[in-house]
Amino acid sequence: DAKTTQPPSMDCAEGRAANLPCNHSTISGNEYVYWYRQIHSQGPQYIIHGLKNNETNEMASLIITEDRKSSTLILPHATLRDTAVYYCIAPKAAGNKLTFGGGTRVLVKP
Amino acid sequence: GAVVSQHPSRVICKSGTSVKIECRSLDFQATTMFWYRQFPKQSLMLMATSNEGSKATYEQGVEKDKFLINHASLTLSTLTVTSAHPEDSSFYICSARGRELYGYTFGSGTRLTVV
Repeated sequence: DAKTTQPPSMDCAEGRAANLPCNHSTISGNEYVYWYRQIHSQGPQYIIHGLKNNETNEMASLIITEDRKSSTLILPHATLRDTAVYYCIAPKAAGNKLTFGGGTRVLVKP
Repeated sequence: GAVVSQHPSRVICKSGTSVKIECRSLDFQATTMFWYRQFPKQSLMLMATSNEGSKATYEQGVEKDKFLINHASLTLSTLTVTSAHPEDSSFYICSARGRELYGYTFGSGTRLTVV
């Protein structure tokens, strides 16, 4: 997997956008970027993934830089239920095992 | 779609006994399943990868004779913790990927406590 680097924690105000950065400077051309989150004592939940283009779904948006060395997950209107650990992962090949780093612990505050 | 059911959600067992955890893909065929372990305040650590009908591939440092994995069908993988000890107490999570699926779906996890 390409090594990913995320800040260990961040706070976000309820109702505001949360922008979660991830560096993956060693990513290769065919490695996707996946984002998952884990709410306390639950299994990880898929959020979004992308290769080159920006992606959006009902949960979040994913912005990938043109050089693909970093990306940002955007939660447009954070709620208290978005409090979780967010993981950015770039597996070696599509369908290969996912290796989790430390992730970013996001605390959404009222 | 793409639901993975993991059972049991919690289990307490005595030292020396074995515990079996099941991971089922409910609405897709899982050609590959992954087993993770997570200790408190730590990230998920991959234990092994199993492909249907073949032996599991274990990560370095994971004892294959202690953590038995069986992926006998395209919808079921089991992890058996043999001769469990208190240090095996952890949160065990499975993940599955189907042939047609691009992503990975995770189970809800099993909290194992060995007393």
